[in-house]
Amino acid sequence: SQQGEEDPQALSIQEGENATMNCSYKTSINNLQWYRQNSGRGLVHLILIRSNEREKHSGRLRVTLDTSKKSSSLLITASRAADTASYFCATFYNDYKLSFGAGTTVTVRA
Amino acid sequence: NAGVTQTPKFQVLKTGQSMTLQCAQDMNHNSMYWYRQDPGMGLRLIYYSASEGTTDKGEVPNGYNVSRLNKREFSLRLESAAPSQTSVYFCATGGRGRNYEVEQYFGPGTRLTVT
Repeated sequence: SQQGEEDPQALSIQEGENATMNCSYKTSINNLQWYRQNSGRGLVHLILIRSNEREKHSGRLRVTLDTSKKSSSLLITASRAADTASYFCATFYNDYKLSFGAGTTVTVRA
Repeated sequence: NAGVTQTPKFQVLKTGQSMTLQCAQDMNHNSMYWYRQDPGMGLRLIYYSASEGTTDKGEVPNGYNVSRLNKREFSLRLESAAPSQTSVYFCATGGRGRNYEVEQYFGPGTRLTVT
């Protein structure tokens, strides 16, 4: 079953602005992952945050995790046109099976 | 390194026809996966293979069969295609890691239309 749910479904921002999207999940996790999908392409892994971590950075990406609220957020700072994509959170629900949310579609306007 | 490759890229089938989607990886990963992606639904797992010689059902296995031919190749077969199987299909492999810290690597997808 799909355990992750992203919010909002879609986001439109100006180049240079920050984009924030959220993910809520249902059961306890070992870690949570974020992926990006450019139009017509496969998903690309962005970042993994463990359940004992509260915040993690990778370049212009900042991910937070609140296990008490079963939620995570992904912040993209100083957005660029190349950040236009769909973003998905994913968690393991059984062995090596990942469950993906429906995604947030981000459009960065020039 | 090609990573994860899928063939074909596009396919149109008539209802009742059969076809096999091919996936190959050169990443030496043990686990491989087949997903389908439909608008507004995210990715749903069809089948997965934890290692060569083993396969297991995911969320939506009905109407599909799989074959893990060897460590590199994992194929997905539609025996009798239905319009509900119109979707984009992605193959993925799972990297090495401990405690489920396994990121997945995706192929470019196969866009399938069943009329």
